[in-house]
Order: sequence, then structure tokens, then C-alpha cells
Amino acid sequence: NAGVTQTPKFRVLKTGQSMTLLCAQDMNHEYMYWYRQDPGMGLRLIHYSVGEGTTAKGEVPDGYNVSRLKKQNFLLGLESAAPSQTSVYFCASSYGGSAGRYHGYTFGSGTRLTVV
Amino acid sequence: AQSVTQPDIHITVSEGASLELRCNYSYGATPYLFWYVQSPGQGLQLLLKYFSGDTLVQGIKGFEAEFKRSQSSFNLRKPSVHWSDAAEYFCAVGALVGGTSYGKLTFGQGTILTVHP
Repeated sequence: NAGVTQTPKFRVLKTGQSMTLLCAQDMNHEYMYWYRQDPGMGLRLIHYSVGEGTTAKGEVPDGYNVSRLKKQNFLLGLESAAPSQTSVYFCASSYGGSAGRYHGYTFGSGTRLTVV
Repeated sequence: AQSVTQPDIHITVSEGASLELRCNYSYGATPYLFWYVQSPGQGLQLLLKYFSGDTLVQGIKGFEAEFKRSQSSFNLRKPSVHWSDAAEYFCAVGALVGGTSYGKLTFGQGTILTVHP
């Protein structure tokens, strides 16, 4: 059981380039999330999805887009990367509703992105 | 909106010493509370959670936490710290959003634990 898998694990981008981060989960979780982690700021929610075909904005959505075409996959896109997007990105998933609140999240191992 | 405060950014303890990491939350109803641990270069792993019932909860790796409603706290404790406990620890509160069944976790800023031999 792989849990939550993120690809790639590391990436260096030039300013203005685009890229997509892939998150895949095999636990049949309903909800999926993208967070960014920066020193001293904890984890901040970028976007989330409560089901296939649905997405919503979190705390820091600007500069990012997401898609959830299949239940098991949640993609995070950067259309025009900026140095301010240098961060570690974590994907997480959870059950829906009360089960999700009770069990919490399962996290991937992260993607370290540097924009130069 | 809910919020979480971890007052200590960095804590250093000696191996074998006891540990307490502080967490204070703000939420209008009964919260769902979690502690996660993040080892260097890794994702977050769930240590323990409080949902309801007994206010002292046991987790993995010998950790426990106590929910104190009167103090809005959920402090993490361990009687004897091991060198392998060096990591960053995050407290999180789960709450309903917009009257839906969606439960959103809000994380604290984290506490880095250093363990001296």
C-alpha cells in the first residue's frame, strides 16, 4: 500500500517556466489537498478537492491551478513560476466527512521546488 | 475561523529527559486535534489525535497528549526522549467548513525538537 505518492521529488525551474506536480493516492480517499511549507510559516493550504471533478481555493491559491480528473490523482500546476514559489509542496488526502475529521490526513513525502 | 499557536519555535532537550510541546487552539466548538511529526526530508506522520472522550490520548512512539478545554490546549508529552525523536512537530485542529461535511485542518507553525546526547 503506497499511500500518497508525489512526483517529482525535486525540481529546479527558471522564472516564467511552467510545471505540474502530480499527487496520487491509492486509499480511495475522497478529499485531497495541496500545501506549501515555508520556514517559520507552517503548512499553508493552496487548493483542495472534496471529490472528483471539484476543486476549491485555500489560503494561498494565487499563481497555482489544480485539477482532479480522477479520484486518485490531484495535480498542482504553476503556469509561470516565480521565485516566491520556491518551497516544499506537500500533497495530502483524507476520507470525507466525519471520517476525514476523525482520521486526519495522510501526507506524501513532498516535492522540493526551487525557482531561480 | 480556527487557529493554532505553537509558542515554542525551537526546543532542545537531553536524551532521556522528559518533553512537553505546547499547543493552543482557537475554535468555537469541540475541536478535533492532532499532532504530526516530520523528520528531515520526510512528509508528516500522524502521532495521535483527539476526537472525543478521554482527554489523555496515547499515540505512537511513546507520545501522549492531554486535551484541556479550559485552557484551549493540547500539549504533547513524552517521559523520556530518544535521539530519534529529533524532528519538527506540528499541532493541528480540524473543524467543519461552511456547514458542510468537509473537515479542514489548520496547522500550527511547528516546533523543532533538538535532542542532545
